[in-house]
Amino acid sequence: SQTIHQWPATLVQPVGSPLSLECTVEGTSNPNLYWYRQAAGRGLQLLFYSVGIGQISSEVPQNLSASRPQDRQFILSSKKLLLSDSGFYLCAWSTSSGANVLTFGAGSRLTVL
Amino acid sequence: GQSLEQPSEVTAVEGAIVQINCTYQTSGFYGLSWYQQHDGGAPTFLSYNGLDGLEETGRFSSFLSRSDSYGYLLLQELQMKDSASYFCAVRNRGGSQGNLIFGKGTKLSVKP
Repeated sequence: SQTIHQWPATLVQPVGSPLSLECTVEGTSNPNLYWYRQAAGRGLQLLFYSVGIGQISSEVPQNLSASRPQDRQFILSSKKLLLSDSGFYLCAWSTSSGANVLTFGAGSRLTVL
Repeated sequence: GQSLEQPSEVTAVEGAIVQINCTYQTSGFYGLSWYQQHDGGAPTFLSYNGLDGLEETGRFSSFLSRSDSYGYLLLQELQMKDSASYFCAVRNRGGSQGNLIFGKGTKLSVKP
């Protein structure tokens, strides 16, 4: 069966510090991978998605970047965090043909102080 | 622009039926999905409508009218554990490039 792992679960970072969130998927190959952000009490905002290694599409221009160095690994990064980067970050995967059905990781709660 | 509209909050009692509506305006349409999210947790997939009509999965049903850009999630025999946020989402592109645009969610509170 397929599983998705995301870490760290929580982190508190100072403004201006770097960020790296990692997500890996097991039990499938060539998945579509996604990073979403959810501000407190808000909906899910798509940040990046990837249909293959090295292929990243950005939905919202911002202080963040994403990379996919391996087929089942997706990384969200920032060089310098802003206060507005605080939120709940969710990694998700889908099959390449089933993008209506996303399976989410447990999420990473980021607080920028 | 792209937008999905759904009520922000709904309250109902245990055993009742509740309907959560969703209207959408997107650049493309390749299906309407519904997700459930409990407080502090990750969203989980509930249902998908690609064509007009009703889809039933146990106590939950979902409906789509593409001509009206409208859908709803129907929850029957409500239980306390159904207290959660419910999101509608539209896939706005086809093929492998498709991705989901989510609404802001409806917080459902089930009272005893």
